[in-house]
Amino acid sequence: AQSVSQHNHHVILSEAASLELGCNYSYGGTVNLFWYVQYPGQHLQLLLKYFSGDPLVKGIKGFEAEFIKSKFSFNLRKPSVQWSDTAEYFCAVSLYGGSQGNLIFGKGTKLSVKP
Amino acid sequence: NAGVTQTPKFRILKIGQSMTLQCTQDMNHNYMYWYRQDPGMGLKLIYYSVGAGITDKGEVPNGYNVSRSTTEDFPLRLELAAPSQTSVYFCASSYRGRVGNQPQHFGDGTRLSIL
Repeated sequence: AQSVSQHNHHVILSEAASLELGCNYSYGGTVNLFWYVQYPGQHLQLLLKYFSGDPLVKGIKGFEAEFIKSKFSFNLRKPSVQWSDTAEYFCAVSLYGGSQGNLIFGKGTKLSVKP
Repeated sequence: NAGVTQTPKFRILKIGQSMTLQCTQDMNHNYMYWYRQDPGMGLKLIYYSVGAGITDKGEVPNGYNVSRSTTEDFPLRLELAAPSQTSVYFCASSYRGRVGNQPQHFGDGTRLSIL
């Protein structure tokens, strides 16, 4: 069965530190990749997505992610985090052409940014 | 646009009671989904629908039922509430066209406690 692994359960950083959150998926076919963010008490919002083309994708709020097909990875990065980035981050995979169209989510990584 | 609207936002049920979680979207999306989110577990798909009149089970369908009589509405029904169904429930919708699945849009969630 397809799965998504997020390596860190909880990451604590100080403001201005750089961020990298790991995400790996297990599926040999073509995938669409997503990062969602969930601020405390809120619903999931799309940060960025990869469908095809340039494997380095830029999203909102200064986030970017790089798709490395050979490593089945889609790591999320931000050069300098802010206190307002405190949230839970979910990596998700959609199987291209899959009939369900649903997302397979990782378990999430909580990011706490200290002011 | 309101996007995806879920009601109620909070609910406490007694064991054995039944209830319906409402979800409606105004984006004319063909795909709709119900997920449950449990702490540290990410989101699990309960049921999904690819269009009006068509529904199918996801990863964790037991104890739930759905219907999709219109494009806009996708209610989730709990028939005999059990403590294991205590969770936060998210409804989502997306558009699937020729190029595949577009990102999902999520509602604000329903926090459900079964006591």
